[in-house]
Amino acid sequence: AQSVSQHNHHVILSEAASLELGCNYSYGGTVNLFWYVQYPGQHLQLLLKYFSGDPLVKGIKGFEAEFIKSKFSFNLRKPSVQWSDTAEYFCAVIDSGGYQKVTFGTGTKLQVIP
Amino acid sequence: NAGVMQNPRHLVRRRGQEARLRCSPMKGHSHVYWYRQLPEEGLKFMVYLQKENIIDESGMPKERFSAEFPKEGPSILRIQQVVRGDSAAYFCASSPPLEDTQYFGPGTRLTVL
Repeated sequence: AQSVSQHNHHVILSEAASLELGCNYSYGGTVNLFWYVQYPGQHLQLLLKYFSGDPLVKGIKGFEAEFIKSKFSFNLRKPSVQWSDTAEYFCAVIDSGGYQKVTFGTGTKLQVIP
Repeated sequence: NAGVMQNPRHLVRRRGQEARLRCSPMKGHSHVYWYRQLPEEGLKFMVYLQKENIIDESGMPKERFSAEFPKEGPSILRIQQVVRGDSAAYFCASSPPLEDTQYFGPGTRLTVL
């Protein structure tokens, strides 16, 4: 069974600081990878996704993630965070060979201090 | 194109009552998924449905929980005889055929008193 680990449960940064959120997955086959964001009181929104090709994926709002197959990682990055980035971030994986059952990490709560 | 719709957004039930959660997928999406988010936990898969078919219900508790996605109308997640441990946020997602990306609704927050 596949699993997703997010190492940081709660991150606090000042505005303009750089962000990196870790995500590791365990699965022997080919996967598709996602990062979702949940702003306070809102639903999950897709930030970015990786299916194949360039392992450096750019998403909305200046976020990017890098897929490193050898490390089973898909870390999320942003060079300079803003207060409006305060949210919870979820890494997720789908077995690309199967149907669309998504496995989520437990989430990382990001708090950006103005 | 409206997003995934869920209602109600908040639902309060007493122990032993029934809870019905509704999900209307995005237009053109025939696949629906239900997830549960318990406090301080990530989303856990519950069930995957296509029109009139349950494809995978491996995440559903064996008792009291059921789901359907009829030919017409929204998908329904039904919880009978609710208990306090059922209190959670329930999210629905939908996707079109042959696409891995799922689009989420705003969730229903169920509180069992």
